[in-house]
Amino acid sequence: QVQLQESGPGLVKPSGTLSLTCTVSGGSISSNNWWTWVRQPPGKGLEWIGKVYHSGGTNYNPSLKSRVTMSIDKSKNQFSLNLSSVTAADTAVYYCTRVASVSGNYEMDYWGQGALVTVSS
Amino acid sequence: DIQMTQSPSSLSAFVGDRITITCRASQSIGTYLNWYHQKAGKAPQLLIYGASNLQSGVPSRFSGSGSGTDFTLTISTLQPEDFATYYCQQGYSTPKTFGQGTKVVIK
Repeated sequence: QVQLQESGPGLVKPSGTLSLTCTVSGGSISSNNWWTWVRQPPGKGLEWIGKVYHSGGTNYNPSLKSRVTMSIDKSKNQFSLNLSSVTAADTAVYYCTRVASVSGNYEMDYWGQGALVTVSS
Repeated sequence: DIQMTQSPSSLSAFVGDRITITCRASQSIGTYLNWYHQKAGKAPQLLIYGASNLQSGVPSRFSGSGSGTDFTLTISTLQPEDFATYYCQQGYSTPKTFGQGTKVVIK
């Protein structure tokens, strides 16, 4: 059973950089899957941030592209998110997810429990 | 970006009811449509992928249909554990986008 777990600071100062890591267990990050980040501001809906593949290939939401970097560490079975120049609007629960590879519908079949990141001084 | 619009935004129902949630895409997405539900304080869980395919382990009371721009999620007999918020998501193009959610509450 694949499991994902987010980790990182829960509080980031305005203008700083939000950094989160997702550790994958029960499966290999080098499998034929995209690995993604999705966020959810308190009381609001879901926003797709972007995706990363084990080759290092990435694809980001254009609305965040100038501030987002995703990377993968195959030796640790982890992938990471960096979001720069954060403001209060970036306060959200951040989820890491796996995109199922088989059907091609880009369904996210495994999710981490989520990490709340608050942007505040 | 493809806009996903769900209706209703919320609905109240009794245990045992049959309910339907609709999701409309701003342009045709074929059957690249997935459904999730999210219980309070938890991560979303995949229910349906490819508009009508039941994810492994999901009860058969859940079903999905549609193609192009109009999709539906139906719960045939609502159970207590089904009270949650439901989201559709298009997998057709980047950025992947979600509907705004439909909150199902107990009447």
